[in-house]
Amino acid sequence: GENVEQHPSTLSVQEGDSAVIKCTYSDSASNYFPWYKQELGKRPQLIIDIRSNVGEKKDQRIAVTLNKTAKHFSLHITETQPEDSAVYFCAASRDDKIIFGKGTRLHILP
Amino acid sequence: EPEVTQTPSHQVTQMGQEVILRCVPISNHLYFYWYRQILGQKVEFLVSFYNNEISEKSEIFDDQFSVERPDGSNFTLKIRSTKLEDSAMYFCASSEARGRGELFFGEGSRLTVL
Repeated sequence: GENVEQHPSTLSVQEGDSAVIKCTYSDSASNYFPWYKQELGKRPQLIIDIRSNVGEKKDQRIAVTLNKTAKHFSLHITETQPEDSAVYFCAASRDDKIIFGKGTRLHILP
Repeated sequence: EPEVTQTPSHQVTQMGQEVILRCVPISNHLYFYWYRQILGQKVEFLVSFYNNEISEKSEIFDDQFSVERPDGSNFTLKIRSTKLEDSAMYFCASSEARGRGELFFGEGSRLTVL
């Protein structure tokens, strides 16, 4: 079955700097790669997703890149702000099973 | 804005007892899921449900777990005989599209097994 690895587990960046979170997946048939943000005590919420026919997608300060050959994808957050502090989960999906990575706890330092 | 709702928000139970967690998915969604999250850990897939049957399940979803859509709105997760390690936050989610659409999560049901 699909296995999603996510790094780093914790990331601290200075406010205004960029943050990058990387994920790899194992199932070459996976074709949908969402990223979820989970604030403390809250539900996960989708922030951006990418499908396998696209290499990059951007939405304001957030971008995701996908390398299908290498089976890895990354989340880039630019100009980080305090409200970006949260746990971020990558995921990979084929059919009805969306498998999540272990999460990255992002701290934005003042 | 429509959202997934879950009840109860927190349930405390004794080991060996049965629990039922309830979810009301977003009304026009066709795909339903249960995930669990042990405190501070990742969100783990349990089961997906479509057209009144299980479409995928994980190795966690063993014989003590079952899901049901008893009427047109509710989607339930039953744990027959709870174990200490079942203590977790259980999230229900629903989606319009099969595996390629946004999962809308409920706020979760925290299960504590004593």
